Amino acid sequence: DTGVSQDPRHKITKRGQNVTFRCDPISEHNRLYWYRQTLGQGPEFLTYFQNEAQLEKSRLLSDRFSAERPKGSFSTLEIQRTEQGDSAMYLCASSLRGRGGAYNEQFFGPGTRLTVL
Amino acid sequence: DQQVKQNSPSLSVQEGRISILNCDYTNSMFDYFLWYKKYPAEGPTFLISISSIKDKNEDGRFTVFLNKSAKHLSLHIVPSQPGDSAVYFCAANPDSNYQLIWGAGTKLIIKP
Repeated sequence: DTGVSQDPRHKITKRGQNVTFRCDPISEHNRLYWYRQTLGQGPEFLTYFQNEAQLEKSRLLSDRFSAERPKGSFSTLEIQRTEQGDSAMYLCASSLRGRGGAYNEQFFGPGTRLTVL
Repeated sequence: DQQVKQNSPSLSVQEGRISILNCDYTNSMFDYFLWYKKYPAEGPTFLISISSIKDKNEDGRFTVFLNKSAKHLSLHIVPSQPGDSAVYFCAANPDSNYQLIWGAGTKLIIKP
């Protein structure tokens, strides 16, 4: 088990371009989360998957954002027509839902830092 | 309106002393709380958690206290070590499902 990995670690793009980030969760984890973090703030929830199903999306996730987890393993987060306000750290986390729905802590990847010029 | 608040942006503590980080929340429906530690250029790392049915949970040098009536929790680190220097986030879970609601973090600096 190598933990949660994210690729790329850094991305610089020009306004209006599309970007895609990848997250590989811990292999046996069935839940996967995307968060966004800006300087001086805690992470803000964007969306979450249980297996391949996207079960919740935050209002922060505008129509320009789309996330997929096609086979219930890795996930991608795409941002279309990027804006300067999209500049942030994008964090991915995974967790394992316990028996009876018991909560298990989320394990985070190192994040992808996006800079939109 | 922030549902989870960490009112101290930073805290400086002498090595060997106790560090106390505080967190307040507004929603009485929160039933699970977590503390994460974050180093620069890394994702948050889970530290310790507490369920609302308890008022204390201890793990080595780390103890979390929960005061439900005051909607307040605190993380105690004793003794503090230089490697504890990091940003500490308090997070709350409103149910056993998905998202965590995070505070803004407190930067802890341990002075040698």
